[in-house]
Amino acid sequence: QITLKESGPTVVKPTHTLTLTCTFSGFSFTTAGVSVGWLRQPPGKALEWLGVIYWDDEKQYSPSLKSRLAITKDTSKNQVVLSLTNMGPVDTGTYYCAPYYYYDTYGGGYFDSWGQGTLVTVSS
Amino acid sequence: SYELTQPPSVSVSPGQTARITCSGDALPKKYAYWYQQKSGQAPVLVIYEDTKRPSGIPERFSASTSGTVATLSISGAQVEDEADYYCYSTDSSGNHRVFGGGTKLTVL
Repeated sequence: QITLKESGPTVVKPTHTLTLTCTFSGFSFTTAGVSVGWLRQPPGKALEWLGVIYWDDEKQYSPSLKSRLAITKDTSKNQVVLSLTNMGPVDTGTYYCAPYYYYDTYGGGYFDSWGQGTLVTVSS
Repeated sequence: SYELTQPPSVSVSPGQTARITCSGDALPKKYAYWYQQKSGQAPVLVIYEDTKRPSGIPERFSASTSGTVATLSISGAQVEDEADYYCYSTDSSGNHRVFGGGTKLTVL
């Protein structure tokens, strides 16, 4: 059974860096082809793709966030970490992690079995 | 950037067929995926690779793509199908992976 859970601060100050951890079970980065992604959803708004990290440490980021976003992994701990710098009010929302099932690295894939999400509010 | 366009809302009576469209220029070349999100919950995949239904998803959920428009159909819609539905896909380069704006389905 695949499960994921996001953890981290619920409130972040403007201009500060958000660090979230996704801890998962049921699969491992030691398996070729495994990938995990991050997504978010502002309150009352649509979903947004943030980025993915592959088993071989390849990463792909949303062009709109590329300058502020970093995704890393700790294979031994079954964790993926999201870092988003210079947080602002528009970054308020629920952040999700999910396994990314892909057949090519040109966007050919999808997310399934999402974590429950964690709400992050940017406020001073 | 790339955009997928969905109607903000669709309303049907129980037992009717609900259809939700998603328009995008790259859909003739790239698969569409559909997610259901009920209030306060994480999204759930209901359709992948244009037409395939994951295990555990009721048969009343189906989808198709014609040209630049993907359509999610829910035949015999039930009150429990009330949710926000999002399409997901990518532009031709794969650099812009996007969700549609979401469609609120009301069944009553």
